Amino acid sequence: ILNVEQSPQSLHVQEGDSTNFTCSFPSSNFYALHWYRWETAKSPEALFVMTLNGDEKKKGRISATLNTKEGYSYLYIKGSQPEDSATYLCAFSNYQLIWGAGTKLIIKP
Amino acid sequence: DTGVSQDPRHKITKRGQNVTFRCDPISEHNRLYWYRQTLGQGPEFLTYFQNEAQLEKSRLLSDRFSAERPKGSFSTLEIQRTEQGDSAMYLCASSLDLSGRTDTQYFGPGTRLTVL
Repeated sequence: ILNVEQSPQSLHVQEGDSTNFTCSFPSSNFYALHWYRWETAKSPEALFVMTLNGDEKKKGRISATLNTKEGYSYLYIKGSQPEDSATYLCAFSNYQLIWGAGTKLIIKP
Repeated sequence: DTGVSQDPRHKITKRGQNVTFRCDPISEHNRLYWYRQTLGQGPEFLTYFQNEAQLEKSRLLSDRFSAERPKGSFSTLEIQRTEQGDSAMYLCASSLDLSGRTDTQYFGPGTRLTVL
């Protein structure tokens, strides 16, 4: 059974602080790792698709790294803003997407 | 708006009733996926279509569930004889089949089903 784990489950961060969280996935038969952001009452929004070991992707203040050999990815948010409050989900791609349960990020003003 | 749309956004039904949800994907996307998400969990794969062909079904999809994509465009997900355990958010996503496992899936806002 393929398992994708995310930690922490939830995170409270002061506005302006930087933060990061983890996605762990099976290191064998790796194809791709997806990151999504899901705000309440909205559609999940694709952030990154990562395929290569050592890959690093960036979108504004958000960046992600990938280690396929040890099976983890980190998502970093620099200088958190209230609009960053959302649940951040990662998904391991194996034809279908196998999802973690997400990290719920709450930014405190 | 050219994103994925789902209808209805919310559905409340009594146990034993049938419900049907609709998903309209991004128009040029040939793949369409259905997921179910319950509180505190990530989305769980239910089924996906390549054009009008249903290529994979999860074992989560009991015989009370059926999905169709008759013309390779919109899709419907029907749940017959609903049970309280069917209460969840039902998400639809679509993608353009370019590279398979690395294709980005674009999601609709979901249909939240509550079975009383």
